[in-house]
Amino acid sequence: QSVLTQPPSVSGAPGQRVTISCTGSSSNIGAGYDVHWYQQLPRTAPKLLIYGNNNRPSGVPDRLSGSKSGASASLAITGLQADDEADYYCQSYDSSLSKVVFGGGTKLTVL
Amino acid sequence: EVQLLKSGGGLVQPGGSLRLSCAASGFTFSNYAMGWVRQAPGEGLEWVSGISGSGTATYYADSVKGRFTIFRDNSKNTLFLQMDSLRAEDTALYYCAKHPLYYYGSGSYYFDYWGQGTLVTVSS
Repeated sequence: QSVLTQPPSVSGAPGQRVTISCTGSSSNIGAGYDVHWYQQLPRTAPKLLIYGNNNRPSGVPDRLSGSKSGASASLAITGLQADDEADYYCQSYDSSLSKVVFGGGTKLTVL
Repeated sequence: EVQLLKSGGGLVQPGGSLRLSCAASGFTFSNYAMGWVRQAPGEGLEWVSGISGSGTATYYADSVKGRFTIFRDNSKNTLFLQMDSLRAEDTALYYCAKHPLYYYGSGSYYFDYWGQGTLVTVSS
C-alpha cells in the first residue's frame, strides 16, 4: 500500500485533457512538502515531468501542468498524444516515515 | 549531458551480497546528492537510499537499513550500493538517480536525472 494514493488507470482520447490525482496526508503533502511527477515509458527509467508542485524542467511541454491543494496534488495533461501513454508517479517526502515516498503509479491509456 | 551508467546487477542466492555501481558524467558529481530507487517486477517505485554530495550523510528505507550501505567515491564520480543479506523481496530493477542539490533535504527530495535500471534477482 503506497503512502500516496493514485488511481490505477486513467484514459482519454487524442486531443483530450486528463488529470491524475495524488492524495497524501498531514505528514507528507498536507505538511507542505512539495509534490513531483515522473513519467515512465515502457521499459525505460522514470523521467522528471514536474518538480516543486508546478514547475516544468526544460524540454517538458507546457501542455503538462501540476497543482497542489491541501493534502492532494494533480497532474494535468492537455492535448493528449499517443506517446503520452505511460505510467505516471507522484512523489513527495513523509516526515513521519522520514523518507521519500511515491504514489503507486497511474497507467495512462490513450484511446 | 548527464549520464548515469550502472553495473553490478545479477542473480544472487538469498543471504548473499551484491554491489551496484553507478558511474556519473556530465555534471560535477561531488556537488550533488544521489540516491537509489528500486522497482520490483510489475510494481511501483520504492525509495531505497540517499547520500549527500560529500558522502558524510546517508539515509535508508527501513526495509534495507542494516543490510544495505550507500557510499560514493567523488574522485571517481561513482556511486555505490553494497547489498548484504539479500532477500527474495529485494528482487527489483535498481535505479541510480541524481538530486538537484548538494544536500538531501527540503527542496532536494526529488530526482532530476535517472540512470537505466540494473536488475537484481535474489533466488535460490
